[in-house]
Amino acid sequence: DSGVTQTPKHLITATGQRVTLRCSPRSGDLSVYWYQQSLDQGLQFLIQYYNGEERAKGNILERFSAQQFPDLHSELNLSSLELGDSALYFCASSPGANVLTFGAGSRLTVL
Amino acid sequence: GENVEQHPSTLSVQEGDSAVIKCTYSDSASNYFPWYKQELGKRPQLIIDIRSNVGEKKDQRIAVTLNKTAKHFSLHITETQPEDSAVYFCAASLDYGGSQGNLIFGKGTKLSVKP
Repeated sequence: DSGVTQTPKHLITATGQRVTLRCSPRSGDLSVYWYQQSLDQGLQFLIQYYNGEERAKGNILERFSAQQFPDLHSELNLSSLELGDSALYFCASSPGANVLTFGAGSRLTVL
Repeated sequence: GENVEQHPSTLSVQEGDSAVIKCTYSDSASNYFPWYKQELGKRPQLIIDIRSNVGEKKDQRIAVTLNKTAKHFSLHITETQPEDSAVYFCAASLDYGGSQGNLIFGKGTKLSVKP
């Protein structure tokens, strides 16, 4: 167990639907990052939050949004889902200037 | 923004041989370079990292070298074992000294170690 908790582990939904992925960072970590990993693809950076504020944004679609709450947990909202959104979504956290620790991921399947 | 290129995409070696994976980065301001190992169906896990004030770092059978001038860094695995088989990702980021920047990953190298 890495200390980064992601829920749900698996999610199957239909095109056009909306889902929310949740991440609880390791205790004490202020930064939360979201990455998307499609089949046989690398890790695409989506967005980073630091202590509740958006810090950096990567290749995140306008249909996707995220936030980090006062208790430091984060949610990634994916709307108007398309088949191509099927992927493994990883959350990672770090205390600041140290290494990223990844959660186990949420596997999203859009049918 | 930062762009990280990683080669090769696949690498097959015999058990006991060495494996080398190479990465280049584009942003000369990047100063933190970790390597992650991802086994099938599992999360990426950090195996070694290096900062720009260091040229080489070793941890048992694993070593990483950094050439800041060429914007190039490499992972070296010696005496490979079947359990080293996995996908390896290099990454680069700018460490702000109190709040780490986002990691930009290479596309990964699938290493297969044949017994």
